[in-house]
Amino acid sequence: IVLTQSPGTLSLSPGERAILSCRASQSVRSNFLAWYQQKPGQAPRLLIYGASIRATGIPDRFSGSGSGTDFTLTINRLEPEDFGVYYCQQYGSSRTFGPGTKVDIK
Amino acid sequence: EVQLLESGGGLVQPGESLRLSCAASGFALSDHNMNWVRQAPGKGLDWVSYISDDGETILYADSVRGRFTISRDNAKNLLYLQINSLRVEDTAMYYCARERFPIFADASDVWGQGTMVTVSS
Repeated sequence: IVLTQSPGTLSLSPGERAILSCRASQSVRSNFLAWYQQKPGQAPRLLIYGASIRATGIPDRFSGSGSGTDFTLTINRLEPEDFGVYYCQQYGSSRTFGPGTKVDIK
Repeated sequence: EVQLLESGGGLVQPGESLRLSCAASGFALSDHNMNWVRQAPGKGLDWVSYISDDGETILYADSVRGRFTISRDNAKNLLYLQINSLRVEDTAMYYCARERFPIFADASDVWGQGTMVTVSS
């Protein structure tokens, strides 16, 4: 399964809402879709699994939605620490990552 | 504390081999399916390989199948990645990552800090 993420870069200010898209080339089994955040020099951090379930310790300003082939990560009220690169991953058929969306400060 | 610690990376020449290790602490490796994920400098995440908790199911990305071998020693709490016939394009940070629960496919909730593999002549 090939994952496509859009946009490639999102330039926003703190307090704004970010909407990130992840599209799969075929339906993701059981909505086995995760979102990760990565900051420079750090390992990825799990945010969302099962398309919409927040991982332990993840603030409720992060939310995931979608099913089948179209998924969305929404970040409400961007905080300074939210800037980084976001990856979607499907784990329903082997595993693959999307190319990432960079969220940077406008 | 739950942790993963990779080792074994370094600078190697094309065609050489390396074995990467990932040591788990704070949890039993045998309770989790595991993955290796790599990231070339300045690039995105690239899934490499998966091994089930009991080692019975193994998956590889098409780009590495035949050259990479994933294995595990649950008694020692260690995960391995044997990389043969290294290519320049294998240059990357290699991460091991733990999947949440072994009953079904799951996302990776614990990641190591990575070990860098550089392939250059």
